[in-house]
Amino acid sequence: DAKTTQPNSMESNEEEPVHLPCNHSTISGTDYIHWYRQLPSQGPEYVIHGLTSNVNNRMASLAIAEDRKSSTLILHRATLRDAAVYYCILSGSARQLTFGSGTQLTVLP
Amino acid sequence: DTEVTQTPKHLVMGMTNKKSLKCEQHMGHRAMYWYKQKAKKPPELMFVYSYEKLSINESVPSRFSPECPNSSLLNLHLHALQPEDSALYLCASSPFGLTTGELFFGEGSRLTVL
Repeated sequence: DAKTTQPNSMESNEEEPVHLPCNHSTISGTDYIHWYRQLPSQGPEYVIHGLTSNVNNRMASLAIAEDRKSSTLILHRATLRDAAVYYCILSGSARQLTFGSGTQLTVLP
Repeated sequence: DTEVTQTPKHLVMGMTNKKSLKCEQHMGHRAMYWYKQKAKKPPELMFVYSYEKLSINESVPSRFSPECPNSSLLNLHLHALQPEDSALYLCASSPFGLTTGELFFGEGSRLTVL
């Protein structure tokens, strides 16, 4: 299965944009890119997913590189409630989601 | 109702006990998943049921036995567990079988094996 690489941790100031990077150089043509986040003591929460084109929803934006070897999750205005572990995940050949190690996002007031 | 409900939230059991974890969803989803999460690690996929049939077993030891009695309910039966099986067990569901889209997760059942 294709793997993802994310920084272990990132910091952001409150009300500023946050760009969370993810590398997936071995992605296959049929793999979707998913982002989930996990707040403390909670189950993971879906954020966004896409295949080739950039995607926007009420929570975030997903920017996908033209060669699809990397992507960036964009939180437009970080709040303290956005502090969480963010997982970038590729759907595998059997379409199951295998979580990588994730990025711990700290939001500073 | 957009929730996945897991019970119990906490479970302590001995190595000779038999217990079960339960997961329920009433969103009409047709796939349900069990994940295991150790402290400060990402969730690891254990089992996937798609249309009430076991589709994926990620080489999980037989002391973990999943069951999907109907499309809304998923159980994980536990027997003769080891202390290293202590973890957060997460259930998830998705609308259309194995998914390219959104998984809905419960808050998990925290298991401690003594």
